Amino acid sequence: DVKVTQSSRYLVKRTGEKVFLECVQDMDHENMFWYRQDPGLGLRLIYFSYDVKMKEKGDIPEGYSVSREKKERFSLILESASTNQTSMYLCASSLWIQNSPLHFGNGTRLTVT
Amino acid sequence: DQQVKQNSPSLSVQEGRISILNCDYTNSMFDYFLWYKKYPAEGPTFLISISSIKDKNEDGRFTVFLNKSAKHLSLHIVPSQPGDSAVYFCAAPPRETSGSRLTFGEGTQLTVNP
Repeated sequence: DVKVTQSSRYLVKRTGEKVFLECVQDMDHENMFWYRQDPGLGLRLIYFSYDVKMKEKGDIPEGYSVSREKKERFSLILESASTNQTSMYLCASSLWIQNSPLHFGNGTRLTVT
Repeated sequence: DQQVKQNSPSLSVQEGRISILNCDYTNSMFDYFLWYKKYPAEGPTFLISISSIKDKNEDGRFTVFLNKSAKHLSLHIVPSQPGDSAVYFCAAPPRETSGSRLTFGEGTQLTVNP
């Protein structure tokens, strides 16, 4: 069974702090994704990666960056956290195959004060 | 530009009845659709999918219908059970991309009352 693990369930950070959200998957999946979920907006794609050291911008990349140094790990970085980045962050992974379902972690609830 | 839209934020049904969740899309390039279910404090889990070459796909109590001319799909749950109470998202991958990047709708909160 695929396991996607996000390092923190809850985080509280101050405005201007640099924030790291970590995600690890154990199924050797090529693709990894970061989404954020907000009420009334659904899931919106921030960044994704098809391979180690590869990254692509999603629909809302502003204020975020990512790092994929190893295949199993995909990190989301908030360079200078702002209150509008308070959200539920969801990491996912999938096989390279077209239309392969995404497997999600349990999410990190980030609050920026 | 919301290419996948779920217009009903919530739906409440009685146990044993049918639940119908709706989804509309604007991008005619979409040729594959997925439904995910999300419980509180958990990540979304894949539920069922349909290719545009079909108009119906069934898996146990769950059936997805696709109407390409109307750019509309629906998820039917029969019979509904209290454990089905969750947020349901429809999603689609743009055909021109590789891998499985998905565009999601806003979600519909389904509540099944005992």
